[in-house]
Amino acid sequence: KAGVTQTPRYLIKTRGQQVTLSCSPISGHRSVSWYQQTPGQGLQFLFEYFSETQRNKGNFPGRFSGRQFSNSRSEMNVSTLELGDSALYLCASSLYGQGSGANVLTFGAGSRLTVL
Amino acid sequence: DAKTTQPPSMDCAEGRAANLPCNHSTISGNEYVYWYRQIHSQGPQYIIHGLKNNETNEMASLIITEDRKSSTLILPHATLRDTAVYYCIVRVGGGTASKLTFGTGTRLQVTL
Repeated sequence: KAGVTQTPRYLIKTRGQQVTLSCSPISGHRSVSWYQQTPGQGLQFLFEYFSETQRNKGNFPGRFSGRQFSNSRSEMNVSTLELGDSALYLCASSLYGQGSGANVLTFGAGSRLTVL
Repeated sequence: DAKTTQPPSMDCAEGRAANLPCNHSTISGNEYVYWYRQIHSQGPQYIIHGLKNNETNEMASLIITEDRKSSTLILPHATLRDTAVYYCIVRVGGGTASKLTFGTGTRLQVTL
């Protein structure tokens, strides 16, 4: 089956602009989470969505937001971009519910954002 | 989630077994041990997880000590393609799946 698809794969923006990244989860996966990866901070959790509702949020400013659609596809938006937002943004999908398998995340290849 | 400790780096010769240790001395009874790996510039990849029994799948084996305070991920016949950063994560099962805490992991270098 198809994996997690993220678009675009690469993009370049300038400071002050905003960006929207898209994620299509594995069919049947209803939970989508987002992570930011930078050389200095490693992998950091941004937020998670399930049933179009944000269920969990990491420690990021309000410039970072997201949403989930009824088909489980998700988007994240970063407004007023700063140089420090340059990173690999990873989306992951999973089954939501009881059991250890709920923590088995399938990651996409990521969207690499460069802010100039 | 319980804190984990991993060595920053390890080397392994191709064809040999790679044994990656993880210490999780504060693990609680309902927390599972998960292993992921990340090959350069790709998204992390799930490898295996377990609670207290040893587990094996097509990728690796997971050995958890009887007191559950440490575990070892074993790649039985490492290849160059296994060169990656390996993350050990401890997490309760169920509910909200995300907010996994990825530490710094172990950078495994497989050499000829």
